[in-house]
Amino acid sequence: EVQLVESGGGVVRPGGSLRLSCAASGFTFDDYVVTWVRQAPGKGLDWVSSINWNGGSTGYADSVKGRFTISRDIAKNSLYLQMNRLRAEDTALYYCSRGHYYGLDVWGQGTMVTVSS
Amino acid sequence: QSALTQPASVSGSPGQSITISCTAPRSDVGGHHYVSWYQQHPGKAPKLIIYEVSNRPSGVSNRFSGSKSGNTASLTISGLQAEDEAHYYCSSYININMVFGGGTKLTVL
Repeated sequence: EVQLVESGGGVVRPGGSLRLSCAASGFTFDDYVVTWVRQAPGKGLDWVSSINWNGGSTGYADSVKGRFTISRDIAKNSLYLQMNRLRAEDTALYYCSRGHYYGLDVWGQGTMVTVSS
Repeated sequence: QSALTQPASVSGSPGQSITISCTAPRSDVGGHHYVSWYQQHPGKAPKLIIYEVSNRPSGVSNRFSGSKSGNTASLTISGLQAEDEAHYYCSSYININMVFGGGTKLTVL
């Protein structure tokens, strides 16, 4: 079964850091671009970052550029999102997904990040 | 404010057809073929229902169809069913960054 499973969410104070992980299974992980998308409570979808198959090309939304870092470990079939200098507005459910602007065809169930003092 | 503009809500009765629009600020949506649509039920992850403007992934009902004209992409759902009640999001890219529309709440009356 093709699957993405996120972990690492939690409650963190403003200015703090958190590292999200996404474990992929059921497909050849390094054949695909993978993407983080977030959704604030009661709000719409918001693209965060994407990374190509070998990590050689990455993209970030302006709102997270310089604070978040996307990476992947092909050997572990895993995707990561290092989030630093977190702000209240980063509070959201973070989804890992397979693909990019041409279509995100597989999604995880998400991991919740709450930034609050 | 989202880069792509969608109506906040649409509604229709069972069996009817509805169309949800997705408008880009300039020619971005019309200038390429990468428009996707996602369906999201409450508490669930989004699901891809249309990619590259008008293509359906395997397993998606043919009641869902996509099109594009100029700066505006559209999602049409025919033969509305109660299970179609959900939020719908369009997506494309602008200046190599992926963007989403603000989402449309579809209510089946």
